[in-house]
Amino acid sequence: DTEVTQTPKHLVMGMTNKKSLKCEQHMGHRAMYWYKQKAKKPPELMFVYSYEKLSINESVPSRFSPECPNSSLLNLHLHALQPEDSALYLCASSQDTGSRGHPPLHFGNGTRLTVT
Amino acid sequence: AQTVTQSQPEMSVQEAETVTLSCTYDTSESDYYLFWYKQPPSRQMILVIRQEAYKQQNATENRFSVNFQKAAKSFSLKISDSQLGDAAMYFCAYRRDDKIIFGKGTRLHILP
Repeated sequence: DTEVTQTPKHLVMGMTNKKSLKCEQHMGHRAMYWYKQKAKKPPELMFVYSYEKLSINESVPSRFSPECPNSSLLNLHLHALQPEDSALYLCASSQDTGSRGHPPLHFGNGTRLTVT
Repeated sequence: AQTVTQSQPEMSVQEAETVTLSCTYDTSESDYYLFWYKQPPSRQMILVIRQEAYKQQNATENRFSVNFQKAAKSFSLKISDSQLGDAAMYFCAYRRDDKIIFGKGTRLHILP
């Protein structure tokens, strides 16, 4: 069982819809991440939150909006997506972002997103 | 900029045999971590093994071990006694501070 929980597992949405992806961890980690993974490709970093503050935005289009309500939760709000945004969206957490070492990331099972 | 290269897109190994997956990286830093992640069809990224750059001793986790050559910037993964459950995509990853950079992955097939 994964210690990072993502919901939903699958999501199909139209280009005019608004939806949200959710991620939760209870390991006391203070860094949380969103990655996008296309088929047969490595994960690509989208956002990093450190102590509930956005620390990295990898030039992600504004139709993706991250939110970190508290240290255990991470959301990704989706609006006006394009078909090319269809991918597996992975959430991850780590003890911190590396200021005191370089801890590994713990990943969730991902949300398979299809934009029609 | 740091890069991670996995030169083997796919590999196959007979069950119970040993296989080595290659990874090279490029960095000007001296303090960093290296990881191998496994992604089976269930799609969860699972940490297999990690290596601190300042440690000369190669990391080992049961049937998994690494050959870390810091000067050569090489970080290969050896899987001993391969099992059917080892079939997955394997990603080599480099971490320093906020970012983790992944290689393109190696698809490992286990032949019964």
